[in-house]
Formats: sequence, C-alpha cells, structure tokens
Amino acid sequence: EPEVTQTPSHQVTQMGQEVILRCVPISNHLYFYWYRQILGQKVEFLVSFYNNEISEKSEIFDDQFSVERPDGSNFTLKIRSTKLEDSAMYFCASSRGGLLQPQHFGDGTRLSIL
Amino acid sequence: GQQVMQIPQYQHVQEGEDFTTYCNSSTTLSNIQWYKQRPGGHPVFLIQLVKSGEVKKQKRLTFQFGEAKKNSSLHITATQTTDVGTYFCAPSGGYQKVTFGIGTKLQVIP
Repeated sequence: EPEVTQTPSHQVTQMGQEVILRCVPISNHLYFYWYRQILGQKVEFLVSFYNNEISEKSEIFDDQFSVERPDGSNFTLKIRSTKLEDSAMYFCASSRGGLLQPQHFGDGTRLSIL
Repeated sequence: GQQVMQIPQYQHVQEGEDFTTYCNSSTTLSNIQWYKQRPGGHPVFLIQLVKSGEVKKQKRLTFQFGEAKKNSSLHITATQTTDVGTYFCAPSGGYQKVTFGIGTKLQVIP
C-alpha cells in the first residue's frame, strides 16, 4: 500500500538555524498538509496546500514557516529561524481530496531544537 | 472548524474487556472520521461515517453515527494489547484539515 514518507526521522538543530523537513506524499494525492505534535499534547494543524498554493494555515504557521512543492514529488516545510518551542514531532499528510477521502499520515520527523 | 467533545479522556481496561469512547457535538456534523495513534506513532485513519444512524464494523471495532448526526461512538469488543493507543474522532475531512482533540487514551492491562 502506498505510504507518505518523511525524512529525516530525527533532526537536531541549534536554535536560530534554518531547518527543512521533507515529505513525499502518495503519488496520486492532490492535497498536502503539515501537522505538529508537541510531546504529550494533541496533534495541531499547521497548513494545507493544494494546486501549488496554501489553502489554509493556522495561527502557529507564522512568517517563520514556509512550504514548498519544489518538484512533482516532494513537499517541504521550512522553519527559517528555529526556536526552542519548535521542538515537536512534525507529521506530513496527503489526501486525494473530496469529502470522503481520508488523510494519510507519514511517520513524522522528530525535531529537537537545542 | 467544528468542535467535538470526546469522553472519556483516559480508559484503563483489563485485556478481554470491552471499551467504548464517545464523541459529542453541539451542531450537526456532515461526517466524522476516526483515527488511532499508537504511542510514539502517527495518526492512522480508521473509518469515516457519513449517513445518519450508520453503523460500520471492522473486526472487533464497531463505529456508530447518531441519528441526529451529533454524536458518534467507537466500541471495541474484547480488547487486546494491540488496541493500546489514543483514539480520535474528528469532523469533516477530505481536503479540509483534520481537527484533532485530546482523544481517548486507551491502556490495556494484560
């Protein structure tokens, strides 16, 4: 069964550094998402992306965050200048779109900011 | 997005016992999805309910959508240790974001 893949599985970065998290959504999916989960807390929506543009974003997704689909397969989340509070598990998800289609999540990237 | 309340927040059961988690909304839902997240894992889609009064089964799991489409439940018969995890109900879906609540954390005691 096709899967959403994320790399790296764990990223350790110094505070203030830029970080790029990578995702390869399922190939025939059209909608892409990033979520994050701070340790012990609920999964929070960050951003959704469709047709090469952001369709919705949350309050968390401020100017330090950006997303890109640089080619036909990758979907990236960039954090420009990381803060300690960015430490979390980041999940990428994709969906075919349409009311009855579920979202498929990747295994996540654990981001640790030192 | 639409908000739902899920209860209980935690549930410990002996292996072999049944388990139920309930989801309630103050407004009518167009549909509801259920996800499971194992400890240290990612959310995994279980099922989507769309029709009023709908009941769907997956092996030992039974999902219901209320007649008024304001509540939903997940019932697990004869729990196993593999059922451990957090179960989330979430309205909407498709191209829209999934709004996760706190969910119900299930612990199964062997």
